Order: sequence, then structure tokens, then C-alpha cells
Amino acid sequence: AQSVTQLDSQVPVFEEAPVELRCNYSSSVSVYLFWYVQYPNQGLQLLLKYLSGSTLVKGINGFEAEFNKSQTSFHLRKPSVHISDTAEYFCAVSRFTGGGNKLTFGTGTQLKVEL
Amino acid sequence: SQTIHQWPATLVQPVGSPLSLECTVEGTSNPNLYWYRQAAGRGLQLLFYSVGIGQISSEVPQNLSASRPQDRQFILSSKKLLLSDSGFYLCAWSLGSRGQETQYFGPGTRLLVL
Repeated sequence: AQSVTQLDSQVPVFEEAPVELRCNYSSSVSVYLFWYVQYPNQGLQLLLKYLSGSTLVKGINGFEAEFNKSQTSFHLRKPSVHISDTAEYFCAVSRFTGGGNKLTFGTGTQLKVEL
Repeated sequence: SQTIHQWPATLVQPVGSPLSLECTVEGTSNPNLYWYRQAAGRGLQLLFYSVGIGQISSEVPQNLSASRPQDRQFILSSKKLLLSDSGFYLCAWSLGSRGQETQYFGPGTRLLVL
């Protein structure tokens, strides 16, 4: 069974400050990991994903994440946030089904960027 | 380019009434299709997925059902809504079958059952 833990339900941060959103996963097999962002009353948009290879993954809007197998983590970072980054962020792990992949999501982290 | 549509955007329904939410994808063929429900503070829960017409897999026992009458159409239904069915329903699609595929989400339908 797979699971994803996002320990921080809310993260307040000032504009232009760095931010890290934490994600830990558990899985008995090789994993594919994803970060999605959700703006208010909208669907989810892919930020980045880790499939294999380099453990540092760069995504859209200046975000990056690092896959750490020994710590089973996939934390999301941005060196300088903007007001427009205020949104909810979801970490997810993929489970291959033989026909499409199933995503198991964490409970989300609400990032609130303040002036 | 591919686009995904969901309607209605918002729905308020009384307890015990039926439900039909529709999702359509344009610009691709034979997509994998998914229905998720998002409840406050609980992340997203996969309800159903489909890899082809008429092929539906249910993830959790519940008051809902899904159908895929056409290649790019996915419908979520209920005969009698419960209060606990309230939430934000998201449809998604992907291509391929290797587990690495990105899922692309629709704009969602907010359902309030009173």
C-alpha cells in the first residue's frame, strides 16, 4: 500500500522569502512522485514530477523538488515566493495498475504568501 | 491541444435526489479517465477510473457510480444523494499505461447536498 504525508497543513511566508513544503511517502515498490498546485476553485495543475534519474527536479514557476530515497521524501522548494504562489499544494505518489496510473494524494499544504 | 471540460461548475441538490456530472476530453483518443472527490482537509480521493469504453473500476464502496458511454466521456452518477456526497469533484485524464503518466485535471464541479 502507498501513502503520502504532508505534515504541514498551512505554511505562511512573506513575499520574496524561501519556502519548503514537506512531503513524505511510503511505498513497497519503485515510485513516481508528483507535485500539483491548486488555485482557489480550480482544478489541479502539474508543477513537477520525479520518474527516475537526477534526484533534483525542476518544475514550472521556479519550483523544484528533491527526491530522497533514504528519507522517503520529496520536498518542494522555491527560493523566493511571490503573492501569486498562494495556493494549495498536493504531493502524490503513482501506483501502476496495468492500465493507467492511480495517484495517491497527500492532504495538501496551503501556502499563504503575505506582503 | 487537449482540453477537459466538466459541468456543471456548481450544483446544489437536496438529499435523496439523483446526480449526473459529466466530463469530456477533447483533442486525444483512448484516454484513461478518472473521477476524484476532494473534501475539505482530506486531499483527493480516487473514486473511479476507466481505461476504455464500458470499463470502470471502483476504488471505494459508496453511493456513486460511473459510466463511460463514449471514448472521451465520463459520467458520475447517483440515484439518491447523501449529505456526505458534498464536495469538489474533479475529473482527470492521462495517456499511456506505464505508471509515469501525468494526469490532467478539469476545472471541477462543486456539489452541495442539503
